[in-house]
Amino acid sequence: AQSVTQPDIHITVSEGASLELRCNYSYGATPYLFWYVQSPGQGLQLLLKYFSGDTLVQGIKGFEAEFKRSQSSFNLRKPSVHWSDAAEYFCAVGGNSGYALNFGKGTSLLVTP
Amino acid sequence: DAGVIQSPRHEVTEMGQEVTLRCKPISGHDYLFWYRQTMMRGLELLIYFNNNVPIDDSGMPEDRFSAKMPNASFSTLKIQPSEPRDSAVYFCASSSSPQKETQYFGPGTRLLVL
Repeated sequence: AQSVTQPDIHITVSEGASLELRCNYSYGATPYLFWYVQSPGQGLQLLLKYFSGDTLVQGIKGFEAEFKRSQSSFNLRKPSVHWSDAAEYFCAVGGNSGYALNFGKGTSLLVTP
Repeated sequence: DAGVIQSPRHEVTEMGQEVTLRCKPISGHDYLFWYRQTMMRGLELLIYFNNNVPIDDSGMPEDRFSAKMPNASFSTLKIQPSEPRDSAVYFCASSSSPQKETQYFGPGTRLLVL
């Protein structure tokens, strides 16, 4: 069965600092991988996705993620965090014949001045 | 496009009452998903439809939960009778080809069962 682990429940970074959010997946075949962001009281917005090809994918809002098959990881990065990036971030894996996404428990990002 | 529309945005009810959550997917999308989000369990898929037909309802917690999609532009998730442990945020999402496209999420319905 496919699953996703986000090891960090909370992360605090200073505004302007770099950010890396970790995501590890478990899936037997090539997964479809996603990062979503959820602002307080809002739905989920897709940041980026990986299906195949270049393992470094670019997303919206200056985010990028790198697929590393050898490490079963799909970590999200941003070189310089803005206060507006404070939100909950979810990694998800798909590809099962059931067409559903399995989400990680999320990482809450706090940005300090 | 208005995106996925959910109503109501907030619902407060008493235990034992019937609750109906509504969703309008993005026009042209043929997949519709219902998720539940809680602190303890995170985001869980409850059920999804393809072309208005329920495909997988294995995530529906129990018989108190039911979902319907009478047409391509409307779906409901009903809880009867509701219990305090049903308190959560319920999201609807739609997609045109879920394995290769984005699932677009609605703003969610925050349900509180007293």
